[in-house]
Amino acid sequence: SQTIHQWPATLVQPVGSPLSLECTVEGTSNPNLYWYRQAAGRGLQLLFYSVGIGQISSEVPQNLSASRPQDRQFILSSKKLLLSDSGFYLCAWRDDWVYNEQFFGPGTRLTVL
Amino acid sequence: TQLLEQSPQFLSIQEGENLTVYCNSSSVFSSLQWYRQEPGEGPVLLVTVVTGGEVKKLKRLTFQFGDARKDSSLHITAAQPGDTGLYLCAGAGGNTGKLIFGQGTTLQVKP
Repeated sequence: SQTIHQWPATLVQPVGSPLSLECTVEGTSNPNLYWYRQAAGRGLQLLFYSVGIGQISSEVPQNLSASRPQDRQFILSSKKLLLSDSGFYLCAWRDDWVYNEQFFGPGTRLTVL
Repeated sequence: TQLLEQSPQFLSIQEGENLTVYCNSSSVFSSLQWYRQEPGEGPVLLVTVVTGGEVKKLKRLTFQFGDARKDSSLHITAAQPGDTGLYLCAGAGGNTGKLIFGQGTTLQVKP
């Protein structure tokens, strides 16, 4: 069966520091991968998605970037964090081309101070 | 731009009551998913509906996709405290697999 991992689970970083969040998927190959950000108790905002190694599409202009160095690895980065980057970051994968179902990781809570 | 309007935003009810959550859009979706999320965790997929007029049941939860595939509803019968959580609808359109999420409904069921 497929599983998706995210780490770290929580992170507290000062303004201006770099960021690296990692997401890995097991049990599937060539999945579509997605990064979302969620404000407390609200819906999800799509940040980036990737259909393959090295292929990244950005949905909103922002202080963040994404990379996919391996088939089942998706990384979210920033060179200098802003206060507004605080939030709950979720990674998701999809390999079903009929129903567009996405399956989410446990998330990373990022607090920028 | 595709949008999904979800209502109500908050719902606080007593155990045993019934409730309905709505998702509405002016856009047509190829499929629509409902998720439930606990605080501090990722959303968990409850159901996917793909055919206009489709009704799916998951124990006390009934999901319906509108005939025109522009709207959906989630009905919970005899709510229980374990139903408490954030409910999210998400519509899919196009070939990229991108989902458009509603704003979410926070449900609190009091014992």
